[in-house]
Amino acid sequence: AAGVIQSPRHLIKEKRETATLKCYPIPRHDTVYWYQQGPGQDPQFLISFYEKMQSDKGSIPDRFSAQQFSDYHSELNMSSLELGDSALYFCASSRTSGPYNEQFFGPGTRLTVL
Amino acid sequence: AQSVTQLGSHVSVSEGALVLLRCNYSSSVPPYLFWYVQYPNQGLQLLLKYTSAATLVKGINGFEAEFKKSETSFHLTKPSAHMSDAAEYFCAVSSSGTYKYIFGTGTRLKVLA
Repeated sequence: AAGVIQSPRHLIKEKRETATLKCYPIPRHDTVYWYQQGPGQDPQFLISFYEKMQSDKGSIPDRFSAQQFSDYHSELNMSSLELGDSALYFCASSRTSGPYNEQFFGPGTRLTVL
Repeated sequence: AQSVTQLGSHVSVSEGALVLLRCNYSSSVPPYLFWYVQYPNQGLQLLLKYTSAATLVKGINGFEAEFKKSETSFHLTKPSAHMSDAAEYFCAVSSSGTYKYIFGTGTRLKVLA
């Protein structure tokens, strides 16, 4: 079965640089979620999109922005990177018409900021 | 607001012993509850989920969890631990209307030979 695809899997950036993370949801899933997991931390919800519109917002820094495109893939753009942005970034997708909106997680993108 | 509390950030059990990982939730609406496992440097794998059907939920790898509304708990158990069960386990809650997951702080399970 198709799974959530994230690219790149690993990314190394310098402070103050910009990064773009991509997420390709499972086919026919209409909702995408982004989570950030810092070292030794639990995943924290950043933002979600339903049918290309932002549906919920969590603890996402103003330096970050995201969008969902017409093909339902999503991109998380991160600017002015800081050391504290080093984390594992998960994307998850779901089909909102489902009874409980089970989220399927991608393998994550590990971002290292030097 | 919803929240999840996982008691015990580290749990050690002997191989073959009972595994019990605790999760208590807080939710003003009927919750959906999930347990995920994360192996080192890997993503989140769903173990099992509670979606208001049966209160005793069976998952993969021999794990099960029981939803107890009176105790607001959703503890994860496995009768006999295996070395391959060593990993980080996360409990998560969501609900209709706000589908984002709220995760607990995780429990790292160590299995001793």
